[in-house]
Amino acid sequence: DAKTTQPPSMDCAEGRAANLPCNHSTISGNEYVYWYRQIHSQGPQYIIHGLKNNETNEMASLIITEDRKSSTLILPHATLRDTAVYYCIVRVRGGGADGLTFGKGTHLIIQP
Amino acid sequence: EAGVAQSPRYKIIEKRQSVAFWCNPISGHATLYWYQQILGQGPKLLIQFQNNGVVDDSQLPKDRFSAERLKGVDSTLKIQPAKLEDSAVYLCASRGLVSNEQFFGPGTRLTVL
Repeated sequence: DAKTTQPPSMDCAEGRAANLPCNHSTISGNEYVYWYRQIHSQGPQYIIHGLKNNETNEMASLIITEDRKSSTLILPHATLRDTAVYYCIVRVRGGGADGLTFGKGTHLIIQP
Repeated sequence: EAGVAQSPRYKIIEKRQSVAFWCNPISGHATLYWYQQILGQGPKLLIQFQNNGVVDDSQLPKDRFSAERLKGVDSTLKIQPAKLEDSAVYLCASRGLVSNEQFFGPGTRLTVL
């Protein structure tokens, strides 16, 4: 699986959009970008995934650059409950062994 | 829909003792994972099951860790004997056949003294 690079921490004001960057310059053509988050004392939670097109769901939007070497997760209106560690993971979709390889993620702190 | 259940939530043992963790995945999920999360780090995969068969156990320290999923539903993870460095949160996750999403349980926090 390709390696990802994320800033260790970020702050965002409540109600504003939180934009979390991820660098994955060695991504392969068949690898997807996944985002999970982990709220304190809970297990990780799936947010969104994409291959090359931008994706949106009820939680967030995922913007992937045209060369696919980086992506941004956007939480459009951050709330205090969005304070968590956000993990960007790159991996092939499907197949047999598909355990997730987590890095250290970005600790996003939403400020009131 | 009920989530992934794990027990116990907390466990404190002394080094060289044995400990076991239990996981009940979401009903119908064929794939089950165990992860270890040391404080300040992201989770690390220990083992993946597909039904009752092992798909990937390449990162499982097999000299002291074992896991089973005998009937393809519940799973147990055992550590015998425990070391200080095994102090961590042990997370169980499951995934449905056609889903990309892994659903995680709340984890078991193990402290080895």
